[in-house]
Amino acid sequence: QQQVKQSPQSLIVQKGGISIINCAYENTAFDYFPWYQQFPGKGPALLIAIRPDVSEKKEGRFTISFNKSAKQFSLHIMDSQPGDSATYFCAASLAGGTSYGKLTFGQGTILTVHP
Amino acid sequence: DAGITQSPRHKVTETGTPVTLRCHQTENHRYMYWYRQDPGHGLRLIHYSYGVKDTDKGEVSDGYSVSRSKTEDFLLTLESATSSQTSVYFCAISESAGNTQYFGPGTRLTVL
Repeated sequence: QQQVKQSPQSLIVQKGGISIINCAYENTAFDYFPWYQQFPGKGPALLIAIRPDVSEKKEGRFTISFNKSAKQFSLHIMDSQPGDSATYFCAASLAGGTSYGKLTFGQGTILTVHP
Repeated sequence: DAGITQSPRHKVTETGTPVTLRCHQTENHRYMYWYRQDPGHGLRLIHYSYGVKDTDKGEVSDGYSVSRSKTEDFLLTLESATSSQTSVYFCAISESAGNTQYFGPGTRLTVL
């Protein structure tokens, strides 16, 4: 199975709040899990990524939590700001050079942060 | 956008016509990818390339072909455009498999 399922489809948060987006995958061979951020009219840009040898990775206000046994990973945005309003995509790719780095994306979450 | 340009940025065409989209990179990255983005589907891989003249199919390759004759250029061709191919198309590049993919600005294609 190559699917990556993402929830929720949309999320509204107040400024200063915590935004949480969840993803679940089926294929246990996935070994690279990036999150991309996309603003309207722009291409997606890498926000943060994790590999399954760690359970958490933090970069500034953005944290990925990874649960290998549950095959789930999530993005937490602390102290959410109006400038964080964007669409967020989780993704996963297989291990090894023969995967050619192909990414399988979740369906996306539209985050709106109200001032 | 990490030295990636896509052309055209917008195109309106009619059903049955051939369309070619171009992705050009100045980063000398080995891997290049074409995705389409549709509401509710995220981004789906159409074709990818792992070197000059080395290409393969992705998840949604029917009705599309690609060519890569130079490291810097990756062309996506819709052989006979259909309304179901109305979408936003993104090109991405990566230095190596399993590393960060950098995306271009996208091409919005409308097939009438």
